[in-house]
Amino acid sequence: QLQLQESGPGLVKPSETLSLTCTVSGGSISSSSYYWGWIRQPPGKGLEWIGSIYYSGSTYYNPSLKSRVTISVDTSKNQFSLKLSSVTAADTAVYYCARLVVWIAVAEYYFDYWGQGTLVTVSS
Amino acid sequence: QSVLTQPPSASGTPGQRVTISCSGSSSNIGSNTVNWYQQLPGTAPKLLIYSNNQRPSGVPDRFSGSKSGTSASLAISGLQSEDEADYYCAAWDDSLNGPPFGGGTKLTVL
Repeated sequence: QLQLQESGPGLVKPSETLSLTCTVSGGSISSSSYYWGWIRQPPGKGLEWIGSIYYSGSTYYNPSLKSRVTISVDTSKNQFSLKLSSVTAADTAVYYCARLVVWIAVAEYYFDYWGQGTLVTVSS
Repeated sequence: QSVLTQPPSASGTPGQRVTISCSGSSSNIGSNTVNWYQQLPGTAPKLLIYSNNQRPSGVPDRFSGSKSGTSASLAISGLQSEDEADYYCAAWDDSLNGPPFGGGTKLTVL
């Protein structure tokens, strides 16, 4: 059974960089047909897609966050990571990592496995 | 503001049938399949429906999805108290090059 686990600091100061890692177990991050993504959810609000990465390093970012986001992958550790720079209180949220199924031929794209999420608070 | 529009709330009594709508455009729902996620209080989202109307293993057949043009719907029949949750639609958007989520619908079982 595939499992994803987010890790990283729960508290980040304003203007600093938020860094999170997602560790994948029970399967290979290098599997074809899958991207790996980050999604966040501010307290009491809805889900926001942040970006996704393929094991080769190819990335897609939400245009609203693109200038501040970097997603990278480490296939040797079966991990992928998120960096969000110049954070403000508006970046306070639960951050989820998830596996994105991508089947272009039939226009199917969906997140089938999710981590439990980690709360990151931006505060001085 | 999301590119996919859902009603903020819905409600029903046990045993009833409830539907939740999701409205998009030609760049998302109109050209790609729709997915639905269920988020129970305090938990991570869970894939409920994929490819417009397919249920992952373990999802009861009380849940069904449909799509027509640039809109989609999630139907829940035989409503149960355990169905009280937030529901999100999502679809790949060819303009964004990503999968935006709808704003979410909070379902209350009265």
